[in-house]
Amino acid sequence: EAGVTQFPSHSVIEKGQTVTLRCDPISGHDNLYWYRRVMGKEIKFLLHFVKESKQDESGMPNNRFLAERTGGTYSTLKVQPAELEDSGVYFCASSHFMLGYNEQFFGPGTRLTVL
Amino acid sequence: DQQVKQNSPSLSVQEGRISILNCDYTNSMFDYFLWYKKYPAEGPTFLISISSIKDKNEDGRFTVFLNKSAKHLSLHIVPSQPGDSAVYFCAASDNQAGTALIFGKGTTLSVSS
Repeated sequence: EAGVTQFPSHSVIEKGQTVTLRCDPISGHDNLYWYRRVMGKEIKFLLHFVKESKQDESGMPNNRFLAERTGGTYSTLKVQPAELEDSGVYFCASSHFMLGYNEQFFGPGTRLTVL
Repeated sequence: DQQVKQNSPSLSVQEGRISILNCDYTNSMFDYFLWYKKYPAEGPTFLISISSIKDKNEDGRFTVFLNKSAKHLSLHIVPSQPGDSAVYFCAASDNQAGTALIFGKGTTLSVSS
């Protein structure tokens, strides 16, 4: 079974540009999450989809970030326009929805550098 | 304000000995806890979890202990192996079905042979 995949693995852009990150969850996982780790700090939650619906977007930093999950399969996270403080590693995770269970499986991450 | 704290940034252990990684939390609504291992340039890998209705969960060399009254959990690795060298993250959530994980800052474990 393929794991969570993310594209690209690295992205270097200039301040003010736009970047779109993609995540393909494990097949059959209804839950999809985005997290971010900045400068060796803790991994912080951004948002959570259940199928194509945003269940919780309380961690989204501001309206420069837009996440979509059309059709309930893959998800994209767009940053427009990018700022220096957006640099970090963006992780996607997915999981089954099952009571008594909250193990989330992470992708390798996209390292975003904003210059 | 950090809700999950890993106060030891690093830990060094000799091969074959026990590694004990600690984690404290402040939010009494947390009732599900997980440990993840992370190698450089990879995503976190799930290791082991524990529900608040238990105080211990064991999986091979890995055991997690939960002390709810102290809001403290620990991960024991016995025996430690050089391949265990990685960053270990403690995470918590406030229910068991699909909510956001709150992570600590991680502890870097180095196991020497």
